[in-house]
Amino acid sequence: SQQGEEDPQALSIQEGENATMNCSYKTSINNLQWYRQNSGRGLVHLILIRSNEREKHSGRLRVTLDTSKKSSSLLITASRAADTASYFCATDIYSTLTFGKGTMLLVSP
Amino acid sequence: DVKVTQSSRYLVKRTGEKVFLECVQDMDHENMFWYRQDPGLGLRLIYFSYDVKMKEKGDIPEGYSVSREKKERFSLILESASTNQTSMYLCASSLGRANNEQFFGPGTRLTVL
Repeated sequence: SQQGEEDPQALSIQEGENATMNCSYKTSINNLQWYRQNSGRGLVHLILIRSNEREKHSGRLRVTLDTSKKSSSLLITASRAADTASYFCATDIYSTLTFGKGTMLLVSP
Repeated sequence: DVKVTQSSRYLVKRTGEKVFLECVQDMDHENMFWYRQDPGLGLRLIYFSYDVKMKEKGDIPEGYSVSREKKERFSLILESASTNQTSMYLCASSLGRANNEQFFGPGTRLTVL
């Protein structure tokens, strides 16, 4: 069964705007990770947040984790056309990852 | 940089054929994984391995087997390919159980006719 579910399924914004994607999950986790996938390619790891952390930053990325609500959000600030991709959250429970179905982000110039 | 390579980017096979998908990583990672990715279903774990000659079933192992004879190489085998195994296959590796950021290969798009 799917552990993580991203919302929205698709998001279309203009360059320079911020993009926010959400992930909800069902059971307790060790950590939650976000990945990016460009069209037809493999996934690239973006950021990992542990269950005892609430917020983490990496460049233009900001991730939050609310374990009481079993949810996480990924914020991409000042988006660029090159950010166009699918974004997946993945939950780590027993050292394997369970991926959501992803959010497709389109950033228009 | 960690590099995960997969033997083919595109592969076309016929129903009933035996298919081998090879994956090699060059960073001495303990863990290796095989996923398939289908539209609307996301990534699903087929098999994984925590060490040489060890294998564990993932969520959808039926119709697949794996082999890990060397630490750097993890093979996915379709004993008798079927059309419902047409998919994108992704291999990944990670350092260890406590540090499980996964590094992915470019994927193999398999079509079974």
